[in-house]
Amino acid sequence: QITLKESGPTLVKPTQTLTLTCTFSGFSLTTRGVGVGWIRQSPGKAPEWLALIYWDDDKPYSASLKSRLTITKDTSKNQVVLTMTNMDPVDTATYYCAHRRLDSGWPNDAFDVWGQGTMVTVSS
Amino acid sequence: QSVLTQPPSVSGAPGQRVTISCTGGSSNLGAGYDVHWYQQVPGTAPKLLIYAINDRPSGVPDRFSGSKSGASASLAISGLQAEDEAEYYCQSYDSYLRSRVFGGGTKLTVL
Repeated sequence: QITLKESGPTLVKPTQTLTLTCTFSGFSLTTRGVGVGWIRQSPGKAPEWLALIYWDDDKPYSASLKSRLTITKDTSKNQVVLTMTNMDPVDTATYYCAHRRLDSGWPNDAFDVWGQGTMVTVSS
Repeated sequence: QSVLTQPPSVSGAPGQRVTISCTGGSSNLGAGYDVHWYQQVPGTAPKLLIYAINDRPSGVPDRFSGSKSGASASLAISGLQAEDEAEYYCQSYDSYLRSRVFGGGTKLTVL
């Protein structure tokens, strides 16, 4: 059974850097085809894809946020970490990590298992 | 403003069939990229409902089906049930934005 869980601060100040950790089980990021993505959702808005990391360490980013994002993996800990710099109140959202469905086509990955999400508020 | 356009809302009575459209352009659906559909009940994470146009993950009832033609895609829900009331999102890839993209969402109300 695949599970994912996000963790990190619930409140960050403007200009600070956000670091979120996704801890997963039921799969390995060393297996060919596996990927973990980050998606956020502002209150009342549609989901917004942020980044993805594949088993081979390929790391596509949202073009609009690329300069602010870094995604890394720690295969020994079964974790994926997302950092976002220069946080702004518009970045207030629920942040989800999700498992890429193995038979998804590339680059149009489907996300078949999601974490519960973690709400991050950006405010001074 | 998403590059994938969905109607803000649709509604139907129990037992009826409804469809939700997702209209893109030449850099996403029209370029041949697949479409996926998610269902989201308030307060919960999105759930993958349909992937690769018309494939259902294990556990998703066959009341849900998808289709795609050119730059448009549709999700059809037949035999509408009260539990289907939720927000629905389409997702694809946009080659101009170089990003996985979601539609703006459609709220389904079961009357």
